[in-house]
Amino acid sequence: SQTIHQWPATLVQPVGSPLSLECTVEGTSNPNLYWYRQAAGRGLQLLFYSVGIGQISSEVPQNLSASRPQDRQFILSSKKLLLSDSGFYLCAWNFDRYYEQYFGPGTRLTVT
Amino acid sequence: AQSVTQLDSQVPVFEEAPVELRCNYSSSVSVYLFWYVQYPNQGLQLLLKYLSGSTLVKGINGFEAEFNKSQTSFHLRKPSVHISDTAEYFCAVSDSGGGADGLTFGKGTHLIIQP
Repeated sequence: SQTIHQWPATLVQPVGSPLSLECTVEGTSNPNLYWYRQAAGRGLQLLFYSVGIGQISSEVPQNLSASRPQDRQFILSSKKLLLSDSGFYLCAWNFDRYYEQYFGPGTRLTVT
Repeated sequence: AQSVTQLDSQVPVFEEAPVELRCNYSSSVSVYLFWYVQYPNQGLQLLLKYLSGSTLVKGINGFEAEFNKSQTSFHLRKPSVHISDTAEYFCAVSDSGGGADGLTFGKGTHLIIQP
């Protein structure tokens, strides 16, 4: 069976510091991968998705970037965090863009 | 582009009472439909999905949903709720004809179970 991991689970970072969040999927190959953000009390905002190694599509212009260095690894980064980057970051995967997505446990990021 | 409307941002319900969480979507083509649940500080978990076939779909934790094409709705129901059902619920839709958008999520409904 497939599992999805995210780390760290929680993170507190000062404004202006860099960020690296990691997501890995086990038990499958060539998944579609997604990064979402949930701000407090809000719904899901799709940030990036990837259909293959090195293929990244950005949905929202911001100071975040994503990379997919390996088939089952998806990384969310920032060079300089803003207060507005605080939120709950979720990684997800699926086989087909039009079918259900499976979510990781999430990372709670607080920028201070 | 598709859109999903969850008509209620919050739904308070007494324990053991029935509940319906409403979801409407806008699409002129065939769709796939999904409901997810999110407990505090956790990821989303798939409750149920409609891809084709019977319009009444049963999911985990005693939830079910009915696809109504004429009303473009996919409401979620449970006949008797428990305290443990307190969570955020998200409806999502995709274009089964292969539209470019993938899954589109609603803004969520917070189900609050009162003892």
